[in-house]
Amino acid sequence: NAGVTQTPKFRVLKTGQSMTLLCAQDMNHEYMYWYRQDPGMGLRLIHYSVGEGTTAKGEVPDGYNVSRLKKQNFLLGLESAAPSQTSVYFCASRGTGSNQPQHFGDGTRLSIL
Amino acid sequence: RKEVEQDPGPFNVPEGATVAFNCTYSNSASQSFFWYRQDCRKEPKLLMSVYSSGNEDGRFTAQLNRASQYISLLIRDSKLSDSATYLCVVTLLKFNAGNNRKLIWGLGTSLAVNP
Repeated sequence: NAGVTQTPKFRVLKTGQSMTLLCAQDMNHEYMYWYRQDPGMGLRLIHYSVGEGTTAKGEVPDGYNVSRLKKQNFLLGLESAAPSQTSVYFCASRGTGSNQPQHFGDGTRLSIL
Repeated sequence: RKEVEQDPGPFNVPEGATVAFNCTYSNSASQSFFWYRQDCRKEPKLLMSVYSSGNEDGRFTAQLNRASQYISLLIRDSKLSDSATYLCVVTLLKFNAGNNRKLIWGLGTSLAVNP
């Protein structure tokens, strides 16, 4: 019953460093999403994917890149971390069909110094 | 007008009380609706889907009013463990090449149930 797994759970970076957040789901879901959540801002969509090999921009894509080389994995990359990217990052996946809800990972808390 | 709006609260209620939240949406073409709960520093978790005819799950009842474009969540006999932020989500079909669905999240309503 793993569902959606995010790694790492916590990370502290220095400005300018790069890193990749990994999201893995074992539910054979087509759709996967990366969100960030900041106080008072709610969930904001960074990038999403509607299937293996496809990605698309969300509301706040700048400074992030993503890849979906395998259906079960969705990677979020920060090429040059900035303090404004300090946030909690959530990955989610969803099956096809309008009534399918999103299932979330337990988040990655990222601090950029 | 925001696409999805919720009263941020906080709603402070005593144990055992009944409390209701609304969530309004602006696009009449919205297709599906959900309520999630989020505990502090945790991930959102699905509470219930909202069906056209209304649906109930134990102490929780969800309703959809398409004419007035809002969904509601009613919690009866509140427990301390119900304290959380309640998020509504609305799904909209995007008519593009992929016919993807756009999920629009509210900012949430904070509930504190007090002993």
